[in-house]
Amino acid sequence: DQQVKQNSPSLSVQEGRISILNCDYTNSMFDYFLWYKKYPAEGPTFLISISSIKDKNEDGRFTVFLNKSAKHLSLHIVPSQPGDSAVYFCAAFVGTYKYIFGTGTRLKVLA
Amino acid sequence: DADVTQTPRNRITKTGKRIMLECSQTKGHDRMYWYRQDPGLGLRLIYYSFDVKDINKGEISDGYSVSRQAQAKFSLSLESAIPNQTALYFCATSDSANTQYFGPGTRLTVL
Repeated sequence: DQQVKQNSPSLSVQEGRISILNCDYTNSMFDYFLWYKKYPAEGPTFLISISSIKDKNEDGRFTVFLNKSAKHLSLHIVPSQPGDSAVYFCAAFVGTYKYIFGTGTRLKVLA
Repeated sequence: DADVTQTPRNRITKTGKRIMLECSQTKGHDRMYWYRQDPGLGLRLIYYSFDVKDINKGEISDGYSVSRQAQAKFSLSLESAIPNQTALYFCATSDSANTQYFGPGTRLTVL
C-alpha cells in the first residue's frame, strides 16, 4: 500500500502562474518530508524540506506547506518558469534511514 | 565534476547474465543507497549502507547483492539478470541533515 501518495500524475501551468503540487501520507508518525525535482536523464535533486514542527518552509520561489491534521503537504512554485518543467517527488524520511517516495508528478510549465 | 557518479549509464543485457552497476561519491558521506524506479512507481529501496561494514537489505533486495568497497564506492550486482529487473537504477548518498544526493541513474534493460 502506498504510504506517500501523489495523486496527480501530471500538471500543466502557464508561465508566471502558481504551480501547486500535492502529496498525501498515511502515517501520522512521519515527521520529516522532502521534495525532489527530476529532469530527464538525471537523478533527482533535492529541492526543499520541512519538519513536522513547522507548517511552512520557504526557499526563494519554492514554498512547502504541511498540514499535519490532514496528513497533506504541498509544494508551491511562484512564479512558475519553463525551467521548472520536471517530475517532482515528495518523500517522507522515516526512522533512521528510510525514505518513502511518492510516484511523482510531472509538471509542465507552458511559455 | 558530479558528486555522485554511476557507471554504466545505459546497459542492455540478456537473461541469466551477471551485471554490476557501480557508484562513486566525492561527498564524503557514510550513508549510501541503491534504488530502482519503475514507470508509475516511486523509488524503491534495494540496499543501503551506513558505512563499509554495515550493509542492509531494503524492501526489494531479492535478486540483488551489494558490495561497499570503500566509503566512496557502493556496487550493485544482479547475479543472474531477469527481464523484470529492467528499470532505472539510482545510487544516492545522504548527509547528517538527512538530505539525499542522487547519481544520474543507470538504465538497465534485460532481454
